[in-house]
Order: sequence, then C-alpha cells, then structure tokens
Amino acid sequence: NAGVTQTPKFQVLKTGQSMTLQCAQDMNHEYMSWYRQDPGMGLRLIHYSVGAGITDQGEVPNGYNVSRSTTEDFPLRLLSAAPSQTSVYFCASKGFYGYTFGSGTRLTVV
Amino acid sequence: SQELEQSPQSLIVQEGKNLTINCTSSKTLYGLYWYKQKYGEGLIFLMMLQKGGEEKSHEKITAKLDEKKQQSSLHITASQPSHAGIYLCGVLGAQKLVFGQGTRLTINP
Repeated sequence: NAGVTQTPKFQVLKTGQSMTLQCAQDMNHEYMSWYRQDPGMGLRLIHYSVGAGITDQGEVPNGYNVSRSTTEDFPLRLLSAAPSQTSVYFCASKGFYGYTFGSGTRLTVV
Repeated sequence: SQELEQSPQSLIVQEGKNLTINCTSSKTLYGLYWYKQKYGEGLIFLMMLQKGGEEKSHEKITAKLDEKKQQSSLHITASQPSHAGIYLCGVLGAQKLVFGQGTRLTINP
C-alpha cells in the first residue's frame, strides 16, 4: 500500500546515545516533514524538506538533524539524545490531496 | 502566526450519543483539515474543508467550516466505540500544518 513508512515503531535510548529515525514514502511527494507530539502541546514541526537536497528548520529543530538525498527518504537524526526528546515522532509527506502521516515512532530517552 | 484552539480537550460520551468538537482559529480560515489518531497509530485523514460554509460528511462524521466565526465543527452522530481517539484540526501555515492541541474522545459502552 502506498504511504509513509516509519521505523522503528518503538525505541528506548540512553541519554547521550545517537540514533536515526527512518521515514520513507512511495508517493513521489516532494514535501516531507517531521513532527513531534507531546501531551498538551499538539504536534510541532521539527524539520521539513521541499525536495531532494533541500531542508529547512521548523519550530523545534534543536537537537535534530535531517538530510534529503532522495525524494523517497527523509531520515531524522538525534545526535546526542536527551530526556526532553522523549516524544512520539511523526513523519508526513504532502501531495496534491493533502498530508499523509506515518504511524509514528515512540521514543523514550532515559 | 495562526493558532488553533480545540474544545473540549477531552470528551466522554455514551455509545449511541451525538457529539460535537470545535476548532477555533486566531485568524481567518481559508481551509482546514481534520485528522483522527488512535493510540500507537498515525494520523488518519478525515476531511479537508476548503471554503466558508462548506460541509462534508463521511459515514457518521460531518464537518463544517464557518469562516465568519473562524471556526470549524466536527459532529459525530450515534457514536460508536470505533470513534474513540484523538481528533486534531489543522491549517496550512507557511510550509507546515499548524495543529490544535487535540480532543480526546472516549466512548463508553
């Protein structure tokens, strides 16, 4: 099925560890983005990309890096995880008919 | 920047009852998305409203856009357990979706 695939679904990290959240879409969407969802704060944009080779910061970019080498993939990197990055992360792509979201990655940093 | 406020933040209803969720914008609404989220799952697109006065329905869910009130409402008729989840409204900002904080809906049997 066409859509946005996120991996892993769950992850526990120790403070200071690094990891990459993967996001892939097969709809040939140019626009992709990463959000984090925290209780009482809704979804907040971390980074976004309007096409391969182009990325930009959202509302809460600190502590996260992204790259967009292909149209399909938009990985989110945590360089040195902190407890404040405990959250649910969603990747989304945007096409003509609107946004399609992945199923999310639940990350806990201890 | 545009902000969305949803009300209520939490709602518990008896199965079979009707309910309404509101989404109020701090600025003029030119279009609005409604999404639903179940625990452990992604956001599922429900509807997109593109102009004032527009009303759309899907199964037992109806959404309306009142541009004068800068508000959208989501109405569920004869609620079922499958309607339980978090409902989010969103608008297109500059290069991003701006979301309300969400309404958590619980359906009691």
